[in-house]
Amino acid sequence: GENVEQHPSTLSVQEGDSAVIKCTYSDSASNYFPWYKQELGKGPQLIIDIRSNVGEKKDQRIAVTLNKTAKHFSLHITETQPEDSAVYFCAASIEGGGADGLTFGKGTHLIIQP
Amino acid sequence: SAVISQKPSRDICQRGTSLTIQCQVDSQVTMMFWYRQQPGQSLTLIATANQGSEATYESGFVIDKFPISRPNLTFSTLTVSNMSPEDSSIYLCSVVLGPEQYFGPGTRLTVT
Repeated sequence: GENVEQHPSTLSVQEGDSAVIKCTYSDSASNYFPWYKQELGKGPQLIIDIRSNVGEKKDQRIAVTLNKTAKHFSLHITETQPEDSAVYFCAASIEGGGADGLTFGKGTHLIIQP
Repeated sequence: SAVISQKPSRDICQRGTSLTIQCQVDSQVTMMFWYRQQPGQSLTLIATANQGSEATYESGFVIDKFPISRPNLTFSTLTVSNMSPEDSSIYLCSVVLGPEQYFGPGTRLTVT
């Protein structure tokens, strides 16, 4: 089955700096890659996703890049703010829309230092 | 997006008992999933619950331990049976709406 590796497990950045979280996946058939933000005591919130027919997608301060050849994708957060502090999970699935359930990475605890 | 609610939000249960978790969605959805998130860990898929068919369980999860009902397109339940402390986790339901998957707030279960 699919295996998703996520790094780093913890990332501390100064407010205003950029943060980058990286994931790799094992199944070349995977074609849907969402990113979730989970705040303490809450369920995961979808923040951005990308499909394998595009290499990059951006939404305001958040961007995701995908390299199908290397089977890795990354989340980029620019101009970080205190409210960006949370645990971020990458995920992958074979069918678009996660119709077969998602395989998650282990998560990255992002800490924004004031 | 979908608005998903879960009941209860948290519970503390005795070893050997069972707990049924409810998931309600504000839209009709075909595909619904149940995940488990152990303390400080990532999410692991328990089963897929599509309306009108038997739930499909992932490796390591069995129907006798985690029976699921899906009576209609907006509701599902997950029961955690014969609980042990190892079942202490957050249990989350999620739905596919359009191209995306959304999660409920989770049910925080502690087994003593």
